[in-house]
Amino acid sequence: DADVTQTPRNRITKTGKRIMLECSQTKGHDRMYWYRQDPGLGLRLIYYSFDVKDINKGEISDGYSVSRQAQAKFSLSLESAIPNQTALYFCATSEAGRLQETQYFGPGTRLLVL
Amino acid sequence: KNEVEQSPQNLTAQEGEFITINCSYSVGISALHWLQQHPGGGIVSLFMLSSGKKKHGRLIATINIQEKHSSLHITASHPRDSAVYICAVGSNFGNEKLTFGTGTRLTIIP
Repeated sequence: DADVTQTPRNRITKTGKRIMLECSQTKGHDRMYWYRQDPGLGLRLIYYSFDVKDINKGEISDGYSVSRQAQAKFSLSLESAIPNQTALYFCATSEAGRLQETQYFGPGTRLLVL
Repeated sequence: KNEVEQSPQNLTAQEGEFITINCSYSVGISALHWLQQHPGGGIVSLFMLSSGKKKHGRLIATINIQEKHSSLHITASHPRDSAVYICAVGSNFGNEKLTFGTGTRLTIIP
């Protein structure tokens, strides 16, 4: 089984709808991240969490919210989806501790907002 | 100017060729990461390095901190190496946030 899973893998929704993307990990990592990837752009950080009680905005958090329900679960919500939120979304995890740690990515969620 | 620049953006080569992908960055870093994104979209971490050189199988990553430059080399390239290779840098403020390059799309022709 994959260490970092994302559900759903693909989602089509309409403008104005609320949707939630879920991420679960079995790696026992404290740190979790949500990124989005758009064609021609690098991955951009939406939100990150260094433990269950810690939530931080990334560079593009407007229009998104997150919930860290447990060490293993980190959900991303789009309260009112808009077409320019169409993108590939990745969850990632890393260990705490040293200055830099390898990040482990989920398989991605492809979101289309009509 | 992006903080992380990769070159080339696209690279097509014949099977067996030696491949070099370059990454330049403009900020102080604590570490540099090389990632591989498969055609299906999944992302895998290949290397994390803060100095010198690392090798794993046919892949070699080097970094020159003074010149703010890193290279990823693939020896004896194979069609299964076809993927997007992404460079990312972690800031030296220790918060583990990464800044990503836009990737190099590599295609290896049999």
